[in-house]
Amino acid sequence: QSALTQPPSASGSPGQSVTISCTGTSSDVGGYNYVSWYQQHPGKAPKLMIYEVSKRPSGVPDRFSGSKSGNTASLTVSGLQAEDEADYYCSSYAGSNKFYVFGTGTKVTVL
Amino acid sequence: QVQLVQSGAEVKKPGASVKVSCKASGYTFTSYGISWVRQAPGQGLEWMGWISAYNGNTNYAQKLQGRVTMTTDTSTSTAYMELRSLRSDDTAVYYCALGLRFGVDAFDIWGQGTMVTVSS
Repeated sequence: QSALTQPPSASGSPGQSVTISCTGTSSDVGGYNYVSWYQQHPGKAPKLMIYEVSKRPSGVPDRFSGSKSGNTASLTVSGLQAEDEADYYCSSYAGSNKFYVFGTGTKVTVL
Repeated sequence: QVQLVQSGAEVKKPGASVKVSCKASGYTFTSYGISWVRQAPGQGLEWMGWISAYNGNTNYAQKLQGRVTMTTDTSTSTAYMELRSLRSDDTAVYYCALGLRFGVDAFDIWGQGTMVTVSS
């Protein structure tokens, strides 16, 4: 059950945008529209930021947006703010046998 | 409000077992399933498995099959995760998680985490 592939790090200055990719296979990311994104600050539990590829829970700023093309999902953070500095993980449903798989995680740094 | 409250930190020796609890409140426990996710120090998130609080059906990650058991006690709205034959690489923070408002696959409620340390 291989993890989804994310870049280890991404960075941007305040106000800029950063996009994180999440690459899987046709058995997970490419096969279902059940991709979620989580934000995790050090020592804290993850927080749901995006679900079903591009939907945003209430309370999550509209600076966060998600998309998918083929086997790759993406999270874009626009108008970077200092509090966006955190680790970000994607996850995908992977069918009735494997259920769920997480990404390798990306550390976002606000310069 | 909806909460998942986990049991405290554990220190175990290699070969031992650990059982972590996750007490739910603020919603109808038997209407949803609970997933367990772990995170080794400095590492990423790893989905461990899922249990239906309605009928006890389970689905475990392949790499943990045979070592993990997830159960629920509906009388106390508590989910349990037991991991046996512990190894040093089982050292991690263990989370219970719930997909309440946005579908079973979107974990919007998390427990605070339980640190399990495996060391001789």
